[in-house]
Amino acid sequence: AQSVTQPDIHITVSEGASLELRCNYSYGATPYLFWYVQSPGQGLQLLLKYFSGDTLVQGIKGFEAEFKRSQSSFNLRKPSVHWSDAAEYFCGSETSYDKVIFGPGTSLSVIP
Amino acid sequence: DAGVIQSPRHEVTEMGQEVTLRCKPISGHNSLFWYRQTMMRGLELLIYFNNNVPIDDSGMPEDRFSAKMPNASFSTLKIQPSEPRDSAVYFCASSFDRGYGYTFGSGTRLTVV
Repeated sequence: AQSVTQPDIHITVSEGASLELRCNYSYGATPYLFWYVQSPGQGLQLLLKYFSGDTLVQGIKGFEAEFKRSQSSFNLRKPSVHWSDAAEYFCGSETSYDKVIFGPGTSLSVIP
Repeated sequence: DAGVIQSPRHEVTEMGQEVTLRCKPISGHNSLFWYRQTMMRGLELLIYFNNNVPIDDSGMPEDRFSAKMPNASFSTLKIQPSEPRDSAVYFCASSFDRGYGYTFGSGTRLTVV
């Protein structure tokens, strides 16, 4: 069955430090992959997506993600974190139709 | 575009009452999704529609839950009768096509007492 795992439940980084959030997916073919961010009391906002081509994709707010087929991973990165990046981050995998399965999320805290 | 619009934002109801959540997707989007978010279970896909037709309702937890999409601009999720364990944030999302990603509404926070 299709699944998405995010090994880190919670991560704390200092403002200005680099960030990497991990995501692994389980699916036979290459799925469409997404990262979303959720601020408190808000819905999810799409950060970036991958479905073919260049394995390094750029998104909004300075985020990027790299697709690695050999590792079934789609890790999210940002070179320098801002305090406003504190939020919940969800990785998602889409296979049939538009159906997206989300991981459990990683909560990011930023220390000033 | 105003985005995906959900109403109400907050709903508090007594156990046994009927609850109706509403969603207006983005115009031109062909697919609509209902998700439930809780601390224990995370984001769960309840049901989704493509061109107003229900495609997969396997995530609907019980017969107490039902969803409709009478036209391209409106969908409802109904819980009857409601129970305290239904307390959660319910999100509606819409999508133009495969691979485009979803646009989420702001959610309805449901509390059943």
